[in-house]
Amino acid sequence: AQSVTQLDSQVPVFEEAPVELRCNYSSSVSVYLFWYVQYPNQGLQLLLKYLSGSTLVKGINGFEAEFNKSQTSFHLRKPSVHISDTAEYFCAVRNNSGTYKYIFGTGTRLKVLA
Amino acid sequence: ETGVTQTPRHLVMGMTNKKSLKCEQHLGHNAMYWYKQSAKKPLELMFVYSLEERVENNSVPSRFSPECPNSSHLFLHLHTLQPEDSALYLCASSQARDSYNSPLHFGNGTRLTVT
Repeated sequence: AQSVTQLDSQVPVFEEAPVELRCNYSSSVSVYLFWYVQYPNQGLQLLLKYLSGSTLVKGINGFEAEFNKSQTSFHLRKPSVHISDTAEYFCAVRNNSGTYKYIFGTGTRLKVLA
Repeated sequence: ETGVTQTPRHLVMGMTNKKSLKCEQHLGHNAMYWYKQSAKKPLELMFVYSLEERVENNSVPSRFSPECPNSSHLFLHLHTLQPEDSALYLCASSQARDSYNSPLHFGNGTRLTVT
């Protein structure tokens, strides 16, 4: 069975500081990996995805993530955050065998402080 | 209009009411999903339709009944709900079959409160 762990439920950070949101997964098969962002009163929006190839993936709004197969991690990073980055961030995995099941983590609430 | 649209945005219903949630996608996708989002819990996949055929049904109580009349529309019919069913219900769509790595595109959700 697959699972996704986001250890940090909340991450406060000052504006213009760097941030890393952690995501670890478990799976016995190869997976595709995703990060989604949810702003208040909205649905989830895709930030970036890892399918294959380069382990460093760049997404929208200046975010990037690095796939580490040996550590089964897919941490999200941004070198300098803005107030507008305050939102909930979800890591998700999907195996590559044709299932429709995306497994989501419990989310990390990023709060950017002025 | 583009994207995934859900109506209504907010819904308050009593335990004996019958209501329906509606989802419409304008992305040309052929798979549609219902997710339940509750506080402090991972998103729960409820139903998946691919090419208008239900392909996933994750042990959801029968008081939730999905309907997918075509690849652009998805409904969730609700009856005799319980207070613990209060949550944000999210609809999503994606490309099916030929693109298993297709990401999900979400609507803004319906905030359901059961009184």
